[in-house]
Amino acid sequence: AQTVTQSQPEMSVQEAETVTLSCTYDTSESDYYLFWYKQPPSRQMILVIRQEAYKQQNATENRFSVNFQKAAKSFSLKISDSQLGDAAMYFCAYLTQGAQKLVFGQGTRLTINP
Amino acid sequence: GAVVSQHPSRVICKSGTSVKIECRSLDFQATTMFWYRQFPKQSLMLMATSNEGSKATYEQGVEKDKFLINHASLTLSTLTVTSAHPEDSSFYICSARDQGKAFFGQGTRLTVV
Repeated sequence: AQTVTQSQPEMSVQEAETVTLSCTYDTSESDYYLFWYKQPPSRQMILVIRQEAYKQQNATENRFSVNFQKAAKSFSLKISDSQLGDAAMYFCAYLTQGAQKLVFGQGTRLTINP
Repeated sequence: GAVVSQHPSRVICKSGTSVKIECRSLDFQATTMFWYRQFPKQSLMLMATSNEGSKATYEQGVEKDKFLINHASLTLSTLTVTSAHPEDSSFYICSARDQGKAFFGQGTRLTVV
């Protein structure tokens, strides 16, 4: 079974600085999708970024980018120019083939210091 | 992106009663929807996969008779917590996929007193 591990329960960063959230996963599948989701205090899950495993190019969405290392099974999220609104829980997730289920990591709570 | 609407956002019920939570895909059709449960400061745990026109698929350890799922149309799935007990108090979230991306409802905070 696939597993997703986020080893940083909490992270903090100064406003306008850059922060990287770590995620590793374990799978025997060759093709899959990886996601980062943000959950602010409202608890609404918001899609931040998606990466297709077959693509070598790292996904980028404005200030958010990923470092996808398929061989190492690593999928980190970099947030540039951090803003107060970025404060939230961040979940890394893996989409399984077949059953198409999302498997979530434990989450990282990100605090932005003004 | 696509919109998934979940209702109600909060509900308080008495022990022994049943509560129904609705999940709607507003601007797309979803043959499959997913129901999650999230305990405080924890991650999302998949409870079941809701399949339009057929039985739901439950994850191991989830009681089918307690958490009834109905997916009668391409835009609506419902989760009914039957004979609720205080330990069922939690945050429930539904999800549906559109064009390869999963979108989530706003969640329902259930409190059983």
